[in-house]
Amino acid sequence: SQTIHQWPATLVQPVGSPLSLECTVEGTSNPNLYWYRQAAGRGLQLLFYSVGIGQISSEVPQNLSASRPQDRQFILSSKKLLLSDSGFYLCAWASQGISNYGYTFGSGTRLTVV
Amino acid sequence: QQQVKQSPQSLIVQKGGISIINCAYENTAFDYFPWYQQFPGKGPALLIAIRPDVSEKKEGRFTISFNKSAKQFSLHIMDSQPGDSATYFCAASSGDKIIFGKGTRLHILP
Repeated sequence: SQTIHQWPATLVQPVGSPLSLECTVEGTSNPNLYWYRQAAGRGLQLLFYSVGIGQISSEVPQNLSASRPQDRQFILSSKKLLLSDSGFYLCAWASQGISNYGYTFGSGTRLTVV
Repeated sequence: QQQVKQSPQSLIVQKGGISIINCAYENTAFDYFPWYQQFPGKGPALLIAIRPDVSEKKEGRFTISFNKSAKQFSLHIMDSQPGDSATYFCAASSGDKIIFGKGTRLHILP
């Protein structure tokens, strides 16, 4: 069966520090991968998505970046965190037939920038 | 045109009552309409989904009603229970992305 792993679960980082969040998927190949951010009490904002290795689509201009170095690995990064980067970061995967099965989300990373 | 509008923002229902959450969309290219349920501190989980060629889908106490001509769809939770208290997101998809509504925070009174 397919599983998605996301870590760390919580993270407290000072303003101006770098960020690296990792997401991996097991049990499938060539998945679509997604990074979402959820501010406190707010909806789901799509940040990046990838349909293949090295292919990244950015939805929102900001100081975050994403990379997909391997088929089932998706990384969210920042060189210098801002206070506004605080939030709940969710990774998700979908099979190529997204309209058949939808997304499966990871358990999320709670990021607090102080 | 890519938006999915969801209402209400929050909802309080007595135990045993019916919870109803409504959504509307503009893009007629959407071909998949899922609902996600999210508990505090957890990632959203797929609850139920429907395609536009079906007017209603029922799974246990959860029913999606879909009105293609009005471009609206809704989630009905029958016999609502305290364990149903969560945030619910409607969504729509075509292609590689799912567009989410802003969410409804549902609280079921015991």
